[in-house]
Amino acid sequence: GDSVTQMEGPVTLSEEAFLTINCTYTATGYPSLFWYVQYPGEGLQLLLKATKADDKGSNKGFEATYRKETTSFHLEKGSVQVSDSAVYFCALSPRTGKLIFGQGTTLQVKP
Amino acid sequence: ETGVTQSPTHLIKTRGQQVTLRCSSQSGHNTVSWYQQALGQGPQFIFQYYREEENGRGNFPPRFSGLQFPNYSSELNVNALELDDSALYLCASSSKTSGGTNEQFFGPGTRLTVL
Repeated sequence: GDSVTQMEGPVTLSEEAFLTINCTYTATGYPSLFWYVQYPGEGLQLLLKATKADDKGSNKGFEATYRKETTSFHLEKGSVQVSDSAVYFCALSPRTGKLIFGQGTTLQVKP
Repeated sequence: ETGVTQSPTHLIKTRGQQVTLRCSSQSGHNTVSWYQQALGQGPQFIFQYYREEENGRGNFPPRFSGLQFPNYSSELNVNALELDDSALYLCASSSKTSGGTNEQFFGPGTRLTVL
C-alpha cells in the first residue's frame, strides 16, 4: 500500500544552519505531496505542497521538489530560526481524499 | 473566515466508556476527515465524510463511527474505549470538487486520555 518514510529525528541545528529533512514515498499513480508542521500543543498546519512531478512547493523560506524518479520530496531551508522548532510531517494524498503521513521529524533549533 | 474548530480540547475517560468528539468545518468546506495521532507518531486516517455519508475509511474497527450534519459539521464516536485509544484526534476540513479533493485544513485537535 501507499506509505511515507521520513528521516528519524530529532534534528538539532544551530540558528542560520541549512536544513534538510528527507522524505521518500511509495504510491501507485500520481499522488499529491505535502509538508505539514506541528508546533507544540497545536494541530497541523500546511507548510507547502506539490501536485505533480517536478513541481516545487515553497513557503516561509522552506522548499521541496516533487521527484518522481527518486520518489522523494525532501524539505529544505537555507537558514533556520529558533521559531522553526517544531515537528515536520511529510504526507501524500492518493487523490482519494485521505492523507497518509510519515512518522514525523522533530526539529530543534538552538540560538 | 472561521477556521476548523474542535471540542472539547481535552477529555479523560475510563476503559469501556463511550466518547463523542465534535468538529466544525471551515466556511465553504463540505468534507470532513478524522485522524488519530498517537504520541510521537504521524496521524492515521480514520474516515472521511462527504454529503453526510462516509466516503472512505482507514484501518479502524467499527466501534469508531461518525456523522456529518447538513451544516457540514461532524462527530466522531468511539465505543468501548480501550487504553490504546488515548491519542490526539484531529479533524480536517476540505472542499471536494469535480476535480478532486482540495487541501485539508486541520483543527487544533482533542486530546483523549483513557484510564
